[in-house]
Amino acid sequence: TQLLEQSPQFLSIQEGENLTVYCNSSSVFSSLQWYRQEPGEGPVLLVTVVTGGEVKKLKRLTFQFGDARKDSSLHITAAQPGDTGLYLCAGERNTGNQFYFGTGTSLTVIP
Amino acid sequence: DSGVTQTPKHLITATGQRVTLRCSPRSGDLSVYWYQQSLDQGLQFLIQYYNGEERAKGNILERFSAQQFPDLHSELNLSSLELGDSALYFCASSPREGLIETQYFGPGTRLLVL
Repeated sequence: TQLLEQSPQFLSIQEGENLTVYCNSSSVFSSLQWYRQEPGEGPVLLVTVVTGGEVKKLKRLTFQFGDARKDSSLHITAAQPGDTGLYLCAGERNTGNQFYFGTGTSLTVIP
Repeated sequence: DSGVTQTPKHLITATGQRVTLRCSPRSGDLSVYWYQQSLDQGLQFLIQYYNGEERAKGNILERFSAQQFPDLHSELNLSSLELGDSALYFCASSPREGLIETQYFGPGTRLLVL
């Protein structure tokens, strides 16, 4: 079983629509990161959140860390075809120097 | 371009063989992480080195081993290869800034075991 579960697993939407991706766990994380990965390439870091309840914005992307630091969400406003990719959340736990990656959400934005 | 380089880009080999994957971290980064990504398992952490020493171990098989050299490059050795070892193998490096790890991923090595 995965420590971090993402939903939905697949998402296909029209250009201009909004969407939210969820990353959930029963464990507490000292920090949580969101990555985007394109086919054939490595994941690219989008943001790191550290404080419970923290909200960070990156242009049309809004990231939130849950108050209890067990979950996170990524909201994209007015999605564009360039947003297409695999979105991964990753959490770092206090007890070890190890990152746990989520199951991933594959997003396709149709022009 | 993340600044992390991995070689080779593609590798095709047969079951039972042994291969070595190489990773050069970003200049100045002391931490190197290895990950395996397959369709059914997602991105799985294998092992981490920091300045030449093993720091954390994840789901790494006994047939796999890694090391980090004095010049900070790292190698992942996969032996007695099985069909199920076919996957993308990523290396990531981190500058270890404070308590927050920021990982920069390389382009990956695609391994196909036939």
